[in-house]
Amino acid sequence: DSGVTQTPKHLITATGQRVTLRCSPRSGDLSVYWYQQSLDQGLQFLIQYYNGEERAKGNILERFSAQQFPDLHSELNLSSLELGDSALYFCASSVLGTSGLYNEQFFGPGTRLTVL
Amino acid sequence: GQQLNQSPQSMFIQEGEDVSMNCTSSSIFNTWLWYKQDPGEGPVLLIALYKAGELTSNGRLTAQFGITRKDSFLNISASIPSDVGIYFCAGQPYNTDKLIFGTGTRLQVFP
Repeated sequence: DSGVTQTPKHLITATGQRVTLRCSPRSGDLSVYWYQQSLDQGLQFLIQYYNGEERAKGNILERFSAQQFPDLHSELNLSSLELGDSALYFCASSVLGTSGLYNEQFFGPGTRLTVL
Repeated sequence: GQQLNQSPQSMFIQEGEDVSMNCTSSSIFNTWLWYKQDPGEGPVLLIALYKAGELTSNGRLTAQFGITRKDSFLNISASIPSDVGIYFCAGQPYNTDKLIFGTGTRLQVFP
């Protein structure tokens, strides 16, 4: 158990809908990262938050957004869903967010999103 | 999206054999990490490497940070059935915390 929790475990929805994925980082970790894993693209970095502030953006679509709350949990919002958004979404956390060494990322169990 | 070249893509070995896999990049990295992922679960961190040339062990696992900072390898000695899974390398570029993952190596171990 990494200490990172994600809910829900599975999510099935229809095209055009909006969903929210939730992540609680390990106790003491200030950074939260979101990754998407699909068969054709592998594991791809989406976005990072550090202590409530957006720190880095990756291959995140404009239909997707995220935020980190004062208690450090994070939510990833996916809207206007398309079939191609079906994937595993992982949250990871680390202690720091300073682009430095010794900042290992620990992953949660993921949310499997299926868009029908 | 960007992915690192990881080889081999898959391996089928007998229990007790040693395994070697590697990861290469066209860019240099600040940190190399190795993860293992079981079906339907999140990646689990195995080893972290921080210095070029560094060799680090974790039980039967040994990994090295390539001297050029563009590659890394992972060795598993005396494989056992619970080693089955997908192994990913991940590189952390300078001045960022994001990870760029490899394409994965699927390991199957037969008794």
